[in-house]
Amino acid sequence: RKEVEQDPGPFNVPEGATVAFNCTYSNSASQSFFWYRQDCRKEPKLLMSVYSSGNEDGRFTAQLNRASQYISLLIRDSKLSDSATYLCVVFYGQNFVFGPGTRLSVLP
Amino acid sequence: EAGVAQSPRYKIIEKRQSVAFWCNPISGHATLYWYQQILGQGPKLLIQFQNNGVVDDSQLPKDRFSAERLKGVDSTLKIQPAKLEDSAVYLCASTRWATGELFFGEGSRLTVL
Repeated sequence: RKEVEQDPGPFNVPEGATVAFNCTYSNSASQSFFWYRQDCRKEPKLLMSVYSSGNEDGRFTAQLNRASQYISLLIRDSKLSDSATYLCVVFYGQNFVFGPGTRLSVLP
Repeated sequence: EAGVAQSPRYKIIEKRQSVAFWCNPISGHATLYWYQQILGQGPKLLIQFQNNGVVDDSQLPKDRFSAERLKGVDSTLKIQPAKLEDSAVYLCASTRWATGELFFGEGSRLTVL
């Protein structure tokens, strides 16, 4: 089993849609959780950290369920500019472990 | 604040040749990472430095890859000899502290023919 798994994608959604990404991780000792965004042929950049209490940043909401070892990202009112690959990242031990990413295309 | 600098941006070599990539992290960032990202996959850690010491190199193919971070600032990643499967983007990242935000450079895209 891979350490971090994500929805395979790609997700093609119309502008204004709500889209949810799922991520699971295998190591129960994982300490911190993040979503990174990677535009085509660019480097990954931090989108948001994920906390057990859930957190929201504008149109983006992240949730963490430690018992199920599950992380989610919800994007509301999708914009064309949201088109990118979304990487789920887990920190444990001393390392950041990246999932394979889920590609999102928001269509006009 | 200047970002993470990497060079070269692009490199094309033939298999069995050697190549070196350079990274200069953000000033004051003690932790430096090299990741390999193959097309369609997430970044995979190759090596992690804390200052000039190696924290984790368990996934570095040591028969062909080497990396150093002399003086605890910039770092070099070398591949010798290269194989076709080394074609990837090599990303350097740094953090101020161990669990902080990762800041990536633009990457060095390697094509091995």
